[in-house]
Amino acid sequence: QQQVKQSPQSLIVQKGGISIINCAYENTAFDYFPWYQQFPGKGPALLIAIRPDVSEKKEGRFTISFNKSAKQFSLHIMDSQPGDSATYFCAASRRGGKLIFGQGTTLQVKP
Amino acid sequence: DGGITQSPKYLFRKEGQNVTLSCEQNLNHDAMYWYRQDPGQGLRLIYYSQIVNDFQKGDIAEGYSVSREKKESFPLTVTSAQKNPTAFYLCASSIDHRGYVRDNEQFFGPGTRLTVL
Repeated sequence: QQQVKQSPQSLIVQKGGISIINCAYENTAFDYFPWYQQFPGKGPALLIAIRPDVSEKKEGRFTISFNKSAKQFSLHIMDSQPGDSATYFCAASRRGGKLIFGQGTTLQVKP
Repeated sequence: DGGITQSPKYLFRKEGQNVTLSCEQNLNHDAMYWYRQDPGQGLRLIYYSQIVNDFQKGDIAEGYSVSREKKESFPLTVTSAQKNPTAFYLCASSIDHRGYVRDNEQFFGPGTRLTVL
C-alpha cells in the first residue's frame, strides 16, 4: 500500500516530442504528489507538484495529469529538449508522512 | 545563500571501516532525511529526523547510524555492518514533518558518492 510504481524505466524521445512518464499508487490517504528532476551527479530538485483536488497542473512545458479514481498521475513534457535529459522521480505522501518515491525514469532527448 | 551542503563529494572506504558523511542545512528546516540511491532502485530512506535529538529508522537503516545534536546538522555514519555500502547518498530537509505545512517540499543536497575498495 505504500508503494509508488513508476514507468517506463527509461525513455528516448526526439527533440520537440512529448515525453510521458506514468505513476500509480495504492494508498488513498496520499494527498501530495510531487515530481523531482535529477541531473547526473546532482541531487534531485522539485519540478512540479499536484494535489488530488485538481486534475491537471501546468508549469511551462511541464504538466501533471491526475486521475484520482484510477490512482494514477503522469508527467508530460511538451516540446522536449536535450536539456530535459535527466532522471525523473514521482513521489507521494500523506500529510505529515514520509515521501514515497517511484523507481525513477531516465529520459534521453535526442537532438 | 540558503541550501544544503554535503561533504565530501566522493568518499572511498576500505572494508571494515566506519565512515561519516556530513550534511548541513541553513534553511532553518526542522526535518532532515538520508536516502540511498542505487541504479534502478529510486530513493530509499535510511533515517529521518523530525526535530533535534530525535530520529527514526527508515526502510533500510541496518548498518547505518545518525545523530541530530544540532538543527543544522544530520551526519550519517556507514558502519562496517553495512554489507554493500557502495552507493550515492543524498541528504534532504523540509520545513516540517508533522503535517503542519501542507506542501512539505523536500530540498536535496548535492550528494556523496561512497565507494568501498
